[in-house]
Amino acid sequence: AQKVTQAQTEISVVEKEDVTLDCVYETRDTTYYLFWYKQPPSGELVFLIRRNSFDEQNEISGRYSWNFQKSTSSFNFTITASQVVDSAVYFCALSEAWGGNQFYFGTGTSLTVIP
Amino acid sequence: DAGVTQSPTHLIKTRGQHVTLRCSPISGHKSVSWYQQVLGQGPQFIFQYYEKEERGRGNFPDRFSARQFPNYSSELNVNALLLGDSALYLCASSLGTASYEQYFGPGTRLTVT
Repeated sequence: AQKVTQAQTEISVVEKEDVTLDCVYETRDTTYYLFWYKQPPSGELVFLIRRNSFDEQNEISGRYSWNFQKSTSSFNFTITASQVVDSAVYFCALSEAWGGNQFYFGTGTSLTVIP
Repeated sequence: DAGVTQSPTHLIKTRGQHVTLRCSPISGHKSVSWYQQVLGQGPQFIFQYYEKEERGRGNFPDRFSARQFPNYSSELNVNALLLGDSALYLCASSLGTASYEQYFGPGTRLTVT
């Protein structure tokens, strides 16, 4: 069964618009970790954020913010005032404390920011 | 500090051949994981090694194997290459296992003809 679902395959926004990338996960573990990564056209995955299952506090880092809701098994990512440099594929990932140290990645959301 | 390095950058092999991919983790990181990323898909977990021991294995055939050396660098070996093995192979390093964020290298693009 797929552990991480990113239903949005592609999103296009005009520069300065806000955009939210959705991530829904599935796990039976009570202890787990959620991550977001950015993969720009150059191809190298860039770590953005890590969240553990006991910390539901939302986080903001500059124009980036993350909303973690255990009740809906979601870990959504919002970019405020998008810029062209935000154009990339974004991946959500899950690892489980007792899951064999495997990282499960979603299929990614390709974001294009139009100038 | 240097990031995760991988070699080679690109590789072209013929079906049935064998390939070895190499990865050097970030200094101080003791865990290395390998992933296969097919175009348009998310990375698929192959192996994780921590302190030279295999700590995780994904759903890949026995043609795939790996090892970690005392200096924490790692090799991924693929035998009897198939056309379907063509992909970007990513190495990631981390301080530990499941709870730690992983830092990725630039990848090795393998093409099997």
